[in-house]
Amino acid sequence: DVKVTQSSRYLVKRTGEKVFLECVQDMDHENMFWYRQDPGLGLRLIYFSYDVKMKEKGDIPEGYSVSREKKERFSLILESASTNQTSMYLCASSFSGEGSYEQYFGPGTRLTVT
Amino acid sequence: GNSVTQMEGPVTLSEEAFLTINCTYTATGYPSLFWYVQYPGEGLQLLLKATKADDKGSNKGFEATYRKETTSFHLEKGSVQVSDSAVYFCALSRDNAGNMLTFGGGTRLMVKP
Repeated sequence: DVKVTQSSRYLVKRTGEKVFLECVQDMDHENMFWYRQDPGLGLRLIYFSYDVKMKEKGDIPEGYSVSREKKERFSLILESASTNQTSMYLCASSFSGEGSYEQYFGPGTRLTVT
Repeated sequence: GNSVTQMEGPVTLSEEAFLTINCTYTATGYPSLFWYVQYPGEGLQLLLKATKADDKGSNKGFEATYRKETTSFHLEKGSVQVSDSAVYFCALSRDNAGNMLTFGGGTRLMVKP
């Protein structure tokens, strides 16, 4: 079974702190993604990566950056956390072969910024 | 631009009732369409997909048909179970590989015994 794990289920940080969210997948997937999930808005793509050291902006990249130094690991960085970044953050990965389509999601990290 | 609209929930049904969750989309071209499900405390899982017009995706008793003429992808199940209680997300892919997903707001389904 594909497994996508995220470093924390719950995280509480103060405004202005630098925050790292870590995601690891064990299926050798090329693609990895970071989303935020907010009630009524569904999931919105923050960044994705299709290869080591490669990244692409998603729909809402402002205030975030990412790092992918190894194929299995994709980090989301909040350089200076703000209260409007309080949300559920979901990581996902997928195979890049033709017709693959399916994204595999981790359980999420609920981040609260106070 | 691309967007997905789902019926707002929660949807509350009794066990064995018929389920429909409406989903309509706006997109350029012909996107692939997906239903993902999120069970309590878990990440999303792909439930079913359809990659071209008139395709029917099906899985675990759920079905959805890609209707280009009405830009819809409604999710149906003939007889729901308590274990189907979850949040359901409709999504479209803006690229050919299913990477650039646009999600609807999600619909919570609650099934009572």
